Amino acid sequence: GAVVSQHPSWVICKSGTSVKIECRSLDFQATTMFWYRQFPKQSLMLMATSNEGSKATYEQGVEKDKFLINHASLTLSTLTVTSAHPEDSSFYICSAGSPSVYNEQFFGPGTRLTVL
Amino acid sequence: AQSVTQLDSQVPVFEEAPVELRCNYSSSVSVYLFWYVQYPNQGLQLLLKYLSGSTLVESINGFEAEFNKSQTSFHLRKPSVHISDTAEYFCAVVDRAAGNKLTFGGGTRVLVKP
Repeated sequence: GAVVSQHPSWVICKSGTSVKIECRSLDFQATTMFWYRQFPKQSLMLMATSNEGSKATYEQGVEKDKFLINHASLTLSTLTVTSAHPEDSSFYICSAGSPSVYNEQFFGPGTRLTVL
Repeated sequence: AQSVTQLDSQVPVFEEAPVELRCNYSSSVSVYLFWYVQYPNQGLQLLLKYLSGSTLVESINGFEAEFNKSQTSFHLRKPSVHISDTAEYFCAVVDRAAGNKLTFGGGTRVLVKP
């Protein structure tokens, strides 16, 4: 149980285009999902907390207009990188909290974004 | 704000030798502690966690970690490593007074040599 998927697993796009990444909780309902960014050989940095049915809470320094987060249902959150640039290239990982497993987050497999 | 320090960025170790990965966090009244493992180009997998109770927690694949409140540490150990343990290991903390947000350490890359 508590499986989280991400789609796509990797994406290459041209500079200036927008890219959408999906995060799904497959076998549980997640009222809260988290989006992280990981640069090569570095740790995970929390970008935002996504709550179903409400606006996401962004961490300091994260541009909310650049990284659009939507949590439309209890099993799906999306991250859209708008007008992507090469510096947005990174590994993006989502996680979801399960109501039945208190205070544990379940992580998706990650999406590698490369902006040319 | 909570901070997590993993003192070793890389730990080379020979197969069947023991390994210890150090993790210290900034002081807090009440925390939950986690160790995650990340294999190349993959997401994070939970290795073990401390929520309450016994300060020594174990994983199914031979890792253990001990919560030391006085030293604000949660070091990870394995008495005998395998080649398959080669991965990145992240220590993470939830400050119970600050909601459910995880704060990660910088990670420790374990390289097991034959």
